[in-house]
Amino acid sequence: EVQLVESGGGLVQPGGSLRLSCAASGFTFSSYWMSWVRQAPGKGLEWVANIKQDGSEKYYVDSVKGRFTISRDNAKNSLYLQMNSLRAEDTAVYYCGTTSDDYFDYWGQGTLVTVSS
Amino acid sequence: SYVLTQPPSVSVAPGKTARITCGGNNIGSKSVHWYQQKPGQAPVLVIYYDSDRPSGIPERFSGSNSGNTATLTISRVEAGDEADYYCQVWDSSSDQEVFGGGTKLTVL
Repeated sequence: EVQLVESGGGLVQPGGSLRLSCAASGFTFSSYWMSWVRQAPGKGLEWVANIKQDGSEKYYVDSVKGRFTISRDNAKNSLYLQMNSLRAEDTAVYYCGTTSDDYFDYWGQGTLVTVSS
Repeated sequence: SYVLTQPPSVSVAPGKTARITCGGNNIGSKSVHWYQQKPGQAPVLVIYYDSDRPSGIPERFSGSNSGNTATLTISRVEAGDEADYYCQVWDSSSDQEVFGGGTKLTVL
Protein backbone atom coordinates (compact mmCIF):
# COMPACT_ATOMS: atom_id res chain seq x y z
CA GLU A 1 0.00 0.00 0.00
CA VAL A 2 1.34 3.40 -0.99
CA GLN A 3 1.87 5.67 2.01
CA LEU A 4 3.03 9.27 2.05
CA VAL A 5 3.38 10.97 5.41
CA GLU A 6 4.20 14.66 5.59
CA SER A 7 5.71 16.34 8.63
CA GLY A 8 7.43 19.54 9.65
CA GLY A 9 4.56 21.98 9.43
CA GLY A 10 3.79 24.51 12.12
CA LEU A 11 3.60 28.18 13.01
CA VAL A 12 6.39 30.42 11.73
CA GLN A 13 6.85 34.17 11.63
CA PRO A 14 6.99 36.08 8.34
CA GLY A 15 10.50 35.93 6.95
CA GLY A 16 11.20 32.68 8.74
CA SER A 17 12.11 29.23 7.45
CA LEU A 18 10.64 25.76 7.66
CA ARG A 19 11.60 22.36 6.26
CA LEU A 20 8.88 19.93 5.30
CA SER A 21 9.50 16.21 4.97
CA CYS A 22 7.54 13.46 3.26
CA ALA A 23 8.22 9.82 4.17
CA ALA A 24 7.28 7.38 1.43
CA SER A 25 6.60 3.65 1.63
CA GLY A 26 4.81 0.90 -0.27
CA PHE A 27 6.32 1.68 -3.67
CA THR A 28 9.68 2.17 -5.38
CA PHE A 29 10.30 5.78 -4.39
CA SER A 30 13.32 6.21 -6.66
CA SER A 31 11.19 5.42 -9.73
CA TYR A 32 8.83 8.35 -9.35
CA TRP A 33 8.87 12.05 -9.93
CA MET A 34 7.60 13.65 -6.72
CA SER A 35 5.72 16.89 -6.09
CA TRP A 36 4.51 19.32 -3.47
CA VAL A 37 1.03 20.80 -3.83
CA ARG A 38 -0.49 23.28 -1.40
CA GLN A 39 -3.95 24.46 -0.47
CA ALA A 40 -4.57 27.73 1.35
CA PRO A 41 -7.45 27.66 3.85
CA GLY A 42 -10.74 27.57 1.96
CA LYS A 43 -8.98 27.86 -1.39
CA GLY A 44 -8.09 25.60 -4.31
CA LEU A 45 -5.08 23.47 -5.08
CA GLU A 46 -1.80 25.04 -6.17
CA TRP A 47 1.17 23.06 -7.42
CA VAL A 48 4.40 24.20 -5.73
CA ALA A 49 7.30 22.14 -7.08
CA ASN A 50 8.35 18.81 -8.48
CA ILE A 51 11.57 16.83 -8.78
CA LYS A 52 12.79 14.11 -11.11
CA GLN A 53 13.62 10.61 -9.92
CA ASP A 54 17.36 11.32 -9.56
CA GLY A 55 16.96 14.94 -8.51
CA SER A 56 18.50 16.26 -11.71
CA GLU A 57 15.45 18.30 -12.73
CA LYS A 58 13.35 20.56 -10.53
CA TYR A 59 10.50 22.89 -11.37
CA TYR A 60 8.75 25.53 -9.27
CA VAL A 61 5.69 27.75 -9.40
CA ASP A 62 6.75 31.34 -10.04
CA SER A 63 5.63 32.57 -6.61
CA VAL A 64 8.16 30.39 -4.74
CA LYS A 65 11.16 30.52 -7.07
CA GLY A 66 14.25 31.62 -5.20
CA ARG A 67 12.61 30.97 -1.81
CA PHE A 68 11.71 27.27 -1.80
CA THR A 69 13.95 24.30 -2.63
CA ILE A 70 12.69 20.79 -3.33
CA SER A 71 15.01 17.86 -2.73
CA ARG A 72 14.93 14.12 -2.15
CA ASP A 73 16.92 11.33 -0.57
CA ASN A 74 16.20 8.08 -2.38
CA ALA A 75 18.18 6.07 0.17
CA LYS A 76 15.79 7.30 2.87
CA ASN A 77 12.65 7.26 0.67
CA SER A 78 12.10 10.87 1.58
CA LEU A 79 11.08 14.10 -0.11
CA TYR A 80 11.78 17.55 1.31
CA LEU A 81 10.74 21.15 0.84
CA GLN A 82 12.97 23.84 2.30
CA MET A 83 10.95 27.03 2.62
CA ASN A 84 12.74 30.32 3.28
CA SER A 85 11.57 33.93 3.44
CA LEU A 86 8.08 32.76 4.26
CA ARG A 87 5.13 35.07 3.66
CA ALA A 88 1.58 35.13 4.95
CA GLU A 89 0.39 33.94 1.55
CA ASP A 90 2.41 30.73 1.97
CA THR A 91 -0.03 29.67 4.70
CA ALA A 92 -1.53 26.40 3.49
CA VAL A 93 -1.77 22.67 3.87
CA TYR A 94 1.18 21.20 1.98
CA TYR A 95 0.70 17.81 0.32
CA CYS A 96 3.37 15.60 -1.16
CA GLY A 97 2.42 13.39 -4.06
CA THR A 98 3.75 10.87 -6.51
CA THR A 99 3.86 12.16 -10.04
CA SER A 100 3.36 9.84 -12.99
CA ASP A 101 4.11 11.71 -16.21
CA ASP A 102 2.24 14.89 -15.34
CA TYR A 103 -0.51 13.80 -12.98
CA PHE A 104 -0.54 13.15 -9.24
CA ASP A 105 -1.60 9.60 -8.51
CA TYR A 106 -1.01 9.30 -4.76
CA TRP A 107 -1.20 12.00 -2.11
CA GLY A 108 -0.30 12.27 1.55
CA GLN A 109 -2.67 13.71 4.13
CA GLY A 110 -0.85 17.03 4.28
CA THR A 111 0.88 19.19 6.87
CA LEU A 112 -0.30 22.68 7.83
CA VAL A 113 2.06 25.64 7.55
CA THR A 114 0.92 28.88 9.17
CA VAL A 115 2.90 32.04 8.58
CA SER A 116 1.88 34.68 11.09
CA SER A 117 3.34 37.04 13.66
CA SER B 1 0.85 31.44 -17.71
CA TYR B 2 -1.83 28.95 -18.70
CA VAL B 3 -5.23 29.42 -17.09
CA LEU B 4 -7.89 26.77 -16.43
CA THR B 5 -11.43 28.00 -15.76
CA GLN B 6 -14.02 25.94 -13.86
CA PRO B 7 -17.52 26.91 -12.72
CA PRO B 8 -17.51 27.51 -8.95
CA SER B 9 -20.47 25.22 -8.38
CA VAL B 10 -22.63 22.58 -10.01
CA SER B 11 -25.79 21.09 -8.52
CA VAL B 12 -27.45 17.85 -9.52
CA ALA B 13 -30.19 15.58 -8.20
CA PRO B 14 -29.34 12.02 -7.17
CA GLY B 15 -29.42 9.59 -10.07
CA LYS B 16 -28.89 12.31 -12.64
CA THR B 17 -25.78 13.22 -14.61
CA ALA B 18 -23.35 15.92 -13.53
CA ARG B 19 -21.02 17.61 -15.99
CA ILE B 20 -18.14 19.74 -14.76
CA THR B 21 -16.26 21.77 -17.33
CA CYS B 22 -12.68 22.97 -17.47
CA GLY B 23 -11.90 25.67 -19.98
CA GLY B 24 -8.50 26.56 -21.38
CA ASN B 25 -6.96 27.87 -24.57
CA ASN B 26 -6.74 24.87 -26.93
CA ILE B 27 -6.97 22.53 -23.95
CA GLY B 28 -7.80 19.73 -26.37
CA SER B 29 -4.11 19.61 -27.27
CA LYS B 30 -3.18 18.87 -23.65
CA SER B 31 -3.75 15.93 -21.32
CA VAL B 32 -6.26 16.77 -18.62
CA HIS B 33 -6.47 15.13 -15.22
CA TRP B 34 -9.25 15.36 -12.64
CA TYR B 35 -9.24 15.11 -8.84
CA GLN B 36 -11.98 14.71 -6.26
CA GLN B 37 -11.52 16.25 -2.83
CA LYS B 38 -13.91 15.73 0.05
CA PRO B 39 -13.86 18.03 3.10
CA GLY B 40 -10.84 17.46 5.32
CA GLN B 41 -9.34 14.88 2.98
CA ALA B 42 -6.51 14.79 0.46
CA PRO B 43 -7.41 14.91 -3.24
CA VAL B 44 -7.98 11.66 -5.12
CA LEU B 45 -7.22 11.15 -8.80
CA VAL B 46 -10.44 10.17 -10.62
CA ILE B 47 -9.53 10.67 -14.29
CA TYR B 48 -6.14 10.90 -16.01
CA TYR B 49 -5.16 11.46 -19.63
CA ASP B 50 -8.56 13.00 -20.40
CA SER B 51 -10.60 9.83 -19.96
CA ASP B 52 -8.69 7.03 -18.20
CA ARG B 53 -9.88 5.84 -14.80
CA PRO B 54 -7.53 4.67 -12.06
CA SER B 55 -8.33 1.33 -10.52
CA GLY B 56 -11.05 1.62 -7.91
CA ILE B 57 -12.79 4.58 -9.53
CA PRO B 58 -16.36 3.72 -10.57
CA GLU B 59 -17.26 3.57 -14.25
CA ARG B 60 -19.77 6.32 -13.51
CA PHE B 61 -16.83 8.73 -13.78
CA SER B 62 -15.76 9.61 -17.32
CA GLY B 63 -13.94 12.39 -19.09
CA SER B 64 -13.61 14.04 -22.47
CA ASN B 65 -11.46 16.78 -23.93
CA SER B 66 -11.78 18.73 -27.16
CA GLY B 67 -11.23 22.23 -28.43
CA ASN B 68 -11.22 24.68 -25.54
CA THR B 69 -13.15 22.55 -23.03
CA ALA B 70 -12.53 19.40 -21.02
CA THR B 71 -15.45 17.78 -19.22
CA LEU B 72 -15.75 15.47 -16.25
CA THR B 73 -19.03 13.55 -16.38
CA ILE B 74 -20.46 11.73 -13.38
CA SER B 75 -23.40 9.47 -14.24
CA ARG B 76 -26.03 8.26 -11.79
CA VAL B 77 -24.80 10.72 -9.19
CA GLU B 78 -24.80 9.55 -5.57
CA ALA B 79 -24.71 11.52 -2.34
CA GLY B 80 -21.17 10.31 -1.79
CA ASP B 81 -20.02 12.14 -4.95
CA GLU B 82 -20.53 15.49 -3.26
CA ALA B 83 -17.07 17.06 -3.23
CA ASP B 84 -14.79 19.62 -4.85
CA TYR B 85 -13.44 18.66 -8.26
CA TYR B 86 -10.27 20.06 -9.83
CA CYS B 87 -8.89 19.77 -13.34
CA GLN B 88 -5.14 19.90 -13.96
CA VAL B 89 -2.71 20.07 -16.87
CA TRP B 90 1.02 20.35 -17.43
CA ASP B 91 1.85 23.62 -19.19
CA SER B 92 4.93 22.83 -21.25
CA SER B 93 5.46 26.45 -22.23
CA SER B 94 6.17 27.42 -18.63
CA ASP B 95 7.20 24.00 -17.24
CA GLN B 96 4.52 24.28 -14.59
CA GLU B 97 1.59 22.21 -13.40
CA VAL B 98 -1.68 24.14 -13.45
CA PHE B 99 -4.90 23.50 -11.54
CA GLY B 100 -8.32 24.89 -12.25
CA GLY B 101 -10.00 26.85 -9.49
CA GLY B 102 -12.20 23.92 -8.51
CA THR B 103 -15.92 23.15 -8.74
CA LYS B 104 -18.08 22.30 -5.75
CA LEU B 105 -20.51 19.55 -6.68
CA THR B 106 -23.68 19.62 -4.62
CA VAL B 107 -26.07 16.66 -4.66
CA LEU B 108 -29.54 18.00 -4.04
